[in-house]
Amino acid sequence: LAKTTQPISMDSYEGQEVNITCSHNNIATNDYITWYQQFPSQGPRFIIQGYKTKVTNEVASLFIPADRKSSTLSLPRVSLSDTAVYYCLVGDQGTGGFKTIFGAGTRLFVKA
Amino acid sequence: DVKVTQSSRYLVKRTGEKVFLECVQDMDHENMFWYRQDPGLGLRLIYFSYDVKMKEKGDIPEGYSVSREKKERFSLILESASTNQTSMYLCASSLTRQPAEEQYFGPGTRLTVT
Repeated sequence: LAKTTQPISMDSYEGQEVNITCSHNNIATNDYITWYQQFPSQGPRFIIQGYKTKVTNEVASLFIPADRKSSTLSLPRVSLSDTAVYYCLVGDQGTGGFKTIFGAGTRLFVKA
Repeated sequence: DVKVTQSSRYLVKRTGEKVFLECVQDMDHENMFWYRQDPGLGLRLIYFSYDVKMKEKGDIPEGYSVSREKKERFSLILESASTNQTSMYLCASSLTRQPAEEQYFGPGTRLTVT
């Protein structure tokens, strides 16, 4: 099963760009990389997903190198409301079904 | 918008009680999931279901069972609650069986077993 490793926590200031890197050394050929955001007392919500190279949406960018063994979530010009836990997730097709592996996540704290 | 609702936000039960956590989704999704979330451990998958009456074990199924009698409803059952099952329980659903399919989460149920 493809597991992920992320920093436990990060601090930033308002207006800065934040990059959170996730390692997934044994990612499988068919796996996609997905990032979720979770605010306190809420369930996680989808931010962005990619397979290779770069993906951008209105919220974030996702950079994936050619070997796909890592990925970087980039949040441009963060604000206080971006304080949350960010999960890197690798889609996995296990035997007999599929399983989704959430790691412990990265706690991002944005300061004024 | 997809809506996933959970029957309770907070629940307090005694050791040995049978506990039912209910989850309902309103978008005709095939897959439903139950996770528990504990500090420092992230989300851990307990069970998932990809069809009515179908279920698959996740990473930590011990002490839990599930029921999916209707497509929109997925129940998590603690047959005999124990204090180590005190946790935040999150339900999620996704449209298809693709592993990378976006999951939609409910608000969570914080269960305390005393």
